Amino acid sequence: GENVEQHPSTLSVQEGDSAVIKCTYSDSASNYFPWYKQELGKRPQLIIDIRSNVGEKKDQRIAVTLNKTAKHFSLHITETQPEDSAVYFCAAINTGTASKLTFGTGTRLQVTL
Amino acid sequence: DSGVTQTPKHLITATGQRVTLRCSPRSGDLSVYWYQQSLDQGLQFLIQYYNGEERAKGNILERFSAQQFPDLHSELNLSSLELGDSALYFCASSVGAEETQYFGPGTRLLVL
Repeated sequence: GENVEQHPSTLSVQEGDSAVIKCTYSDSASNYFPWYKQELGKRPQLIIDIRSNVGEKKDQRIAVTLNKTAKHFSLHITETQPEDSAVYFCAAINTGTASKLTFGTGTRLQVTL
Repeated sequence: DSGVTQTPKHLITATGQRVTLRCSPRSGDLSVYWYQQSLDQGLQFLIQYYNGEERAKGNILERFSAQQFPDLHSELNLSSLELGDSALYFCASSVGAEETQYFGPGTRLLVL
């Protein structure tokens, strides 16, 4: 089955700096890659996703890049703010099969003033 | 608000007991997923239902069971509870079986 590795496990940046979280996946057939943000005690919320037919997607300060050849995808947050502090999870799935969404182990992002 | 609802929000019970967690998916969603998240841990996939049928199984213990009813709501039954079952239990739903998942607010279970 699919295996998703996520790095780093913790990340501390100063307000205004950029943050990058990286994930690798094992199943070359995976074609959908969502990112979730989870604040303490809250539900995971979808913040951005990308499908395998595109290499990059942006939404304001958030962007995701996908390298299908290397089987990795990354989340980029620019001009970080304290409210970006949360745990971020990447995930991967092959939507053409009955496989399940496989999550990475999470990255705890701390944005300091 | 994702449109997925879960009840109860909090549950405190004793070891050996049985509890039922309930989830109502977003309107129009046919697929329901259950996840367990222990303190400072990732999301552990338990089970998925699609239109009333079990579709995928993850690391779900034999003491746990689930079902999806004709109105598409789902229940997760946890029995013979142990201290280690204390966790946040999330339900998620999606339109199809492999589409974007939207999470409910979770049920926080504490087993004493």
